[in-house]
Amino acid sequence: EAGVAQSPRYKIIEKRQSVAFWCNPISGHATLYWYQQILGQGPKLLIQFQNNGVVDDSQLPKDRFSAERLKGVDSTLKIQPAKLEDSAVYLCASSLTGTGINEQFFGPGTRLTVL
Amino acid sequence: GQSLEQPSEVTAVEGAIVQINCTYQTSGFYGLSWYQQHDGGAPTFLSYNALDGLEETGRFSSFLSRSDSYGYLLLQELQMKDSASYFCAVRDDYKLSFGAGTTVTVRA
Repeated sequence: EAGVAQSPRYKIIEKRQSVAFWCNPISGHATLYWYQQILGQGPKLLIQFQNNGVVDDSQLPKDRFSAERLKGVDSTLKIQPAKLEDSAVYLCASSLTGTGINEQFFGPGTRLTVL
Repeated sequence: GQSLEQPSEVTAVEGAIVQINCTYQTSGFYGLSWYQQHDGGAPTFLSYNALDGLEETGRFSSFLSRSDSYGYLLLQELQMKDSASYFCAVRDDYKLSFGAGTTVTVRA
């Protein structure tokens, strides 16, 4: 079974530039998550989708971050414009459902550096 | 909201036993999960406790006491490959909130 795919793996941009990340979840997984992990901290949920609907985006900085999950499969996360404090690893995860044990499968992440 | 506390670092020798404690405060609680993350890698699921008691999976065990808002992860027969960060995460109705993580370093 293929895992969660993310691209790019690394990205370096200057502040005020835009960047987009892509995620392809495990086939059949209805729930998709985007997390931000700053060095030395635990993952922080940015947005959670159930199929193509948003379940939670309470911690998404909506003035600069946006995300979509078209057709309930792939998802993109965009930052526009980027700030220095956005430097982090952006993790995408998926799970069969958002309930029960809710074992989440994580992708390798995109390491973003904002200069 | 949720808050979780776990120790920042633990060091132990190969073959030893390590216990990582996690205390939490949450407005809604469904269960406690544990994830392992090697340096530069993705978090991977280890265990989930919804009810009080001990769950054992090979060398790793996880415990939950809902009345004490407390859980722990027990790593037995430590191996070098167990050097990693370990995160507890509370599940409310539908999402996980992660702690800051405990870095476990295994020495030969």
